Formats: sequence, C-alpha cells, structure tokens
Amino acid sequence: AQKITQTQPGMFVQEKEAVTLDCTYDTSDPSYGLFWYKQPSSGEMIFLIYQGSYDQQNATEGRYSLNFQKARKSANLVISASQLGDSAMYFCAMRDSPSNTGKLIFGQGTTLQVKP
Amino acid sequence: KAGVTQTPRYLIKTRGQQVTLSCSPISGHRSVSWYQQTPGQGLQFLFEYFSETQRNKGNFPGRFSGRQFSNSRSEMNVSTLELGDSALYLCASSYTDRSYNEQFFGPGTRLTVL
Repeated sequence: AQKITQTQPGMFVQEKEAVTLDCTYDTSDPSYGLFWYKQPSSGEMIFLIYQGSYDQQNATEGRYSLNFQKARKSANLVISASQLGDSAMYFCAMRDSPSNTGKLIFGQGTTLQVKP
Repeated sequence: KAGVTQTPRYLIKTRGQQVTLSCSPISGHRSVSWYQQTPGQGLQFLFEYFSETQRNKGNFPGRFSGRQFSNSRSEMNVSTLELGDSALYLCASSYTDRSYNEQFFGPGTRLTVL
C-alpha cells in the first residue's frame, strides 16, 4: 500500500539557516509524483515543489529544493536561508497512478518554527 | 489567474443536519479532489472528480457524497452530521488527473458540528 512517512513532528531552525525536512515513501508503482506543501496557520495548502519519479535531476524552486533519492525512497525538502514566514506545517505527499486517479496521499506533517 | 475558491469559509451546524460545500477550480482545470483534515487523522482523501465523473473515493461512509458540474465546479455534501465530521475540508484542482500534475488547494471550509 502507498504510504508517506514524515518522522519529524516538529523542527526548529535559526533564521537564515538551511533546514531539511524528511520524507520517505512507499509505492510499487514506477510512475508517481512527489509533492511538498506548506500550510500556514490560516489553513490554506500552498504548493511548493514537485518531483516526478522519472525526473533525472532534483527539483528546485527558489529557496526550496527536493533531495530525491529514489533507491532509498526518500524525498527530503531543503529550505535554504530560512525566513520567519517559513514557520508553518509542511506536508509531503505522493500521487501515483496505478488506476489513473489523482488521489494524494499525505504524511502526518512537520511543524517548522523559525527562530529570529 | 484566480485560484481555487471554496465557499463558505466557515460553517457551524448541529448534529443530524446536512451541509453542502462548494469548490470552484482554477480556470481550465478539470480535476477536483476533496480532502478532510482533522488533528487526529490528518489529511484524508475523500473523492476525486474528473470531467463530471467520480474517479476515486476514499474510505468514508455513504453520508459523504459529491458531484461535479460541466463547468468543473464541484460540491460535496455531508448528510446526518456527526460531531466527528468537524474538520477543515480542502478542495484541490489540477489540469488532469495524471500523477505529474500539481494540485492546487483552496483555502478550505472549516466545519464545526455542535
């Protein structure tokens, strides 16, 4: 069964430092997509970055990069130069398509707090 | 381009009542998915619609239903509300239902059942 595991319930990082949020996944489908979302206290889920299972290079979007290690089934999010506004809950999610559906499977999330 | 919109943003109902939530996807997006978020269970998939057809349904009782209209707008309905239905209900849209298409979420509807 498909599963996403985020083992860090909470993380602290000093402003301007980099932080890595861990995510491991499990699927038997060779075609899948991995996503990271940010959820501030307002509740809206904000799309950050996407990595496809066949992508050869790690995805990057501004200060966000995804450390994709396919053999280890991990897709860690790296946030560089943390800002106070990065304080939020972060979710790793997977979308696979064994039956052509778009269902996202989410991990339990990691709460990130950026200290000034 | 306007984002995903959900109405209403907040809702208070009592046990036994029913509720209808609405979601308007990003223009051009044909896939709409619904998720329930609670502190205890996290984010759980409810159902997905693509071109007015339900493509997949999560493990929720039949009290939870939905539909999609020809303009891709979607509604979900919860009948005979229970206290445990209190949650943030999130709608997400994407261009297709393929794994490589990002899903963009709306602000959610926060439902409180008293």
